[in-house]
Amino acid sequence: NAGVTQTPKFRILKIGQSMTLQCTQDMNHNYMYWYRQDPGMGLKLIYYSVGAGITDKGEVPNGYNVSRSTTEDFPLRLELAAPSQTSVYFCASSYRVEGYTFGSGTRLTVV
Amino acid sequence: GESVGLHLPTLSVQEGDNSIINCAYSNSASDYFIWYKQESGKGPQFIIDIRSNMDKRQGQRVTVLLNKTVKHLSLQIAATQPGDSAVYFCAESSRTQGGSEKLVFGKGTKLTVNP
Repeated sequence: NAGVTQTPKFRILKIGQSMTLQCTQDMNHNYMYWYRQDPGMGLKLIYYSVGAGITDKGEVPNGYNVSRSTTEDFPLRLELAAPSQTSVYFCASSYRVEGYTFGSGTRLTVV
Repeated sequence: GESVGLHLPTLSVQEGDNSIINCAYSNSASDYFIWYKQESGKGPQFIIDIRSNMDKRQGQRVTVLLNKTVKHLSLQIAATQPGDSAVYFCAESSRTQGGSEKLVFGKGTKLTVNP
């Protein structure tokens, strides 16, 4: 099993550009999550999904969108990148809360 | 509101010593707690967990203690090694408005092990 795979690992965006952070898992987990981690801080939940076709907002959803068309994939979309979105983004999946598995992260810089 | 915080943002220990990392939580309804280790440039990795019906759980070189009376969680690492150097996060499980569970993370403690 590959676990949770995130792409790209690094990206530099200009202000106003858009991009999609990809996340895929091969563990057949129903639950998937997107977190952001700012320097020296903990993880903040952006969006989560409890199954295909179902998504919901977390603590910091503004400026982001998600979709969950399949169990495996949970892409995160930034439509108009802003410097405040410079962060490391982690995707995670779980069967229940006990089985959280994190990806290796995407480091995004908006300039 | 719910929050998970840490008493000490940094901790420096000598190799071979025992380490204790503390965490306070505010949601008395939380029934599941996890410690994660995050090495530089990597995602968080599960270390050990504990349910609220327990007050102690041991793993390999790690012990988690839960004090529900004061809403305090600690991670003890025995015979700390250089490879233990990382940021350690505690997390508590809370229910979303939709009824599913999600983790709320603390800010983290950076553990540095000196040879």
